[in-house]
Amino acid sequence: ETGVTQTPRHLVMGMTNKKSLKCEQHLGHNAMYWYKQSAKKPLELMFVYSLEERVENNSVPSRFSPECPNSSHLFLHLHTLQPEDSALYLCASSQSRALNTEAFFGQGTRLTVV
Amino acid sequence: DAKTTQPNSMESNEEEPVHLPCNHSTISGTDYIHWYRQLPSQGPEYVIHGLTSNVNNRMASLAIAEDRKSSTLILHRATLRDAAVYYCILRVGQNFVFGPGTRLSVLP
Repeated sequence: ETGVTQTPRHLVMGMTNKKSLKCEQHLGHNAMYWYKQSAKKPLELMFVYSLEERVENNSVPSRFSPECPNSSHLFLHLHTLQPEDSALYLCASSQSRALNTEAFFGQGTRLTVV
Repeated sequence: DAKTTQPNSMESNEEEPVHLPCNHSTISGTDYIHWYRQLPSQGPEYVIHGLTSNVNNRMASLAIAEDRKSSTLILHRATLRDAAVYYCILRVGQNFVFGPGTRLSVLP
């Protein structure tokens, strides 16, 4: 148990659906991250929030829309996804973005787009 | 854009020590060396990190070369539960950027 909780653990959605992934941490961390992990590929950093402000957006398509309403919660809103978006989506948090801090990851949401 | 290189895979026998190498020849003076591992069907898990001196914790030891261009993660006694992908990471800017890592297999 890392203190970072992601829901749901598994999600199957059609290409025309709208769904949201939720991430919650009560570690008092100020930075939160979304990563995508496709089969047999390294983790890809998608978005970074620091003190509830988005500070990084790594050329992610607009069909992925993050939201950070407070320091404990992070959402990833999904709409009109493609089958190639099927992947494990991981949320992480860290005390800050200082170089000596470590990240704590959730267990991920396994997303399948049909 | 990972700044580290690791072997794709390694094997170890159970209850033997494992030394996982990592090269980071472009490391800068302020870069911390981080190690994470990812067990099957789970998110990555923090293992250890260090700057210049060797580091020990309950999970592993981190040996850092004097010139800091390489490091070694040491698992003192591998168990079957240590089978995972191990990632050596230098922060890119302020971000955790993962490479492909080393897949460690532990043989009974």
